[in-house]
Amino acid sequence: LAKTTQPISMDSYEGQEVNITCSHNNIATNDYITWYQQFPSQGPRFIIQGYKTKVTNEVASLFIPADRKSSTLSLPRVSLSDTAVYYCLVGDMDSNYQLIWGAGTKLIIKP
Amino acid sequence: GAGVSQSPSNKVTEKGKDVELRCDPISGHTALYWYRQSLGQGLEFLIYFQGNSAPDKSGLPSDRFSAERTGGSVSTLTIQRTQQEDSAVYLCASSRLLAGGPYEQYFGPGTRLTVT
Repeated sequence: LAKTTQPISMDSYEGQEVNITCSHNNIATNDYITWYQQFPSQGPRFIIQGYKTKVTNEVASLFIPADRKSSTLSLPRVSLSDTAVYYCLVGDMDSNYQLIWGAGTKLIIKP
Repeated sequence: GAGVSQSPSNKVTEKGKDVELRCDPISGHTALYWYRQSLGQGLEFLIYFQGNSAPDKSGLPSDRFSAERTGGSVSTLTIQRTQQEDSAVYLCASSRLLAGGPYEQYFGPGTRLTVT
């Protein structure tokens, strides 16, 4: 199971673009990269998932370089409600459902 | 539609007592997961159920912990002889495990367990 490394915390301001980078040097060929968001007193919520290059959905983009040893979650024009903890996970969900959850990145958005 | 539900939302119990935590997954989701989250920490995997297969119990921290899933739906996590270190939020998640993904887990709100 690949271990991930991400910043413990980040600050930004409303309206800015926020990029959170995650390192996963031991990523395996069959591994996907998944990001979750967690608000206080709630369970995590799926944000985005990718395997390579770029993935975009209605809330975020995920950039994955060719070597796949890192990934960057990009949140466009953040608002105060984006204040949360963001988790980067790596694993093959077919067989590695025991994903390793680190402490995540605590993102604080200021007015 | 309805999401994953868990009950109770909060549970305070005395050291040494047994507790049961319940999880109702999303209808049709064959996979069910239990996690534990201590304050300020990431999630710790406890147990995984997939369809009719034998559950993966490798994450259970001790033999005081057990879980069952009846009829492929509702799951109960039981902690016997609770200890203060069992205090945490217990999260349940379910997923469909579609071939090719996305591999998305849907989480419940959790049960906050406090052992006094």
